Amino acid sequence: AQTVTQSQPEMSVQEAETVTLSCTYDTSESDYYLFWYKQPPSRQMILVIRQEAYKQQNATENRFSVNFQKAAKSFSLKISDSQLGDAAMYFCALIQGAQKLVFGQGTRLTINP
Amino acid sequence: DVKVTQSSRYLVKRTGEKVFLECVQDMDHENMFWYRQDPGLGLRLIYFSYDVKMKEKGDIPEGYSVSREKKERFSLILESASTNQTSMYLCASSSSQSWTSYEQYFGPGTRLTVT
Repeated sequence: AQTVTQSQPEMSVQEAETVTLSCTYDTSESDYYLFWYKQPPSRQMILVIRQEAYKQQNATENRFSVNFQKAAKSFSLKISDSQLGDAAMYFCALIQGAQKLVFGQGTRLTINP
Repeated sequence: DVKVTQSSRYLVKRTGEKVFLECVQDMDHENMFWYRQDPGLGLRLIYFSYDVKMKEKGDIPEGYSVSREKKERFSLILESASTNQTSMYLCASSSSQSWTSYEQYFGPGTRLTVT
């Protein structure tokens, strides 16, 4: 079975600083996709960034980037120049064949002004 | 803009009641999903559907059923609500057309309390 583990239930960072959220996963498949989703307080979950496993280059979306280590099955999210609007629950997720997502436990990120 | 809506943001029901949670998407997506979200457990898949009248069990289907009579609507049914079904329920949809996307679009969630 595929699993996703986020070992940091809570993280905090000073505004304008950089923070990294950790995620490890386990899958026997060679072709898969990984995602980071953001769930702001009382708002809908939205996709932050995605990574195709066959691509060696790490994905980047503005201030958000990932460090994808396929051999280590690690997929961390780096947020640069943190802003107050980045405060949210962040979920790491793995596609489980046929578009079924498997989610990690989530990391609650707090931004300190 | 993709829009996924859910019938209620908050719902309070009594033990043993039959509960219907409705989800509607406006992007003609083939795939629809129901998750429950609990602190420390993340999101867990209850049921999903690839097409009208088709359904497949997810990881935690016990105590739930679903209905998809129209492409845009996916309903989650709690036949006899129990207190351990108190949770946040999230609906999502995605397209089968883009094999490089797999992005799921989420509704705002329904926080269900069973007393």
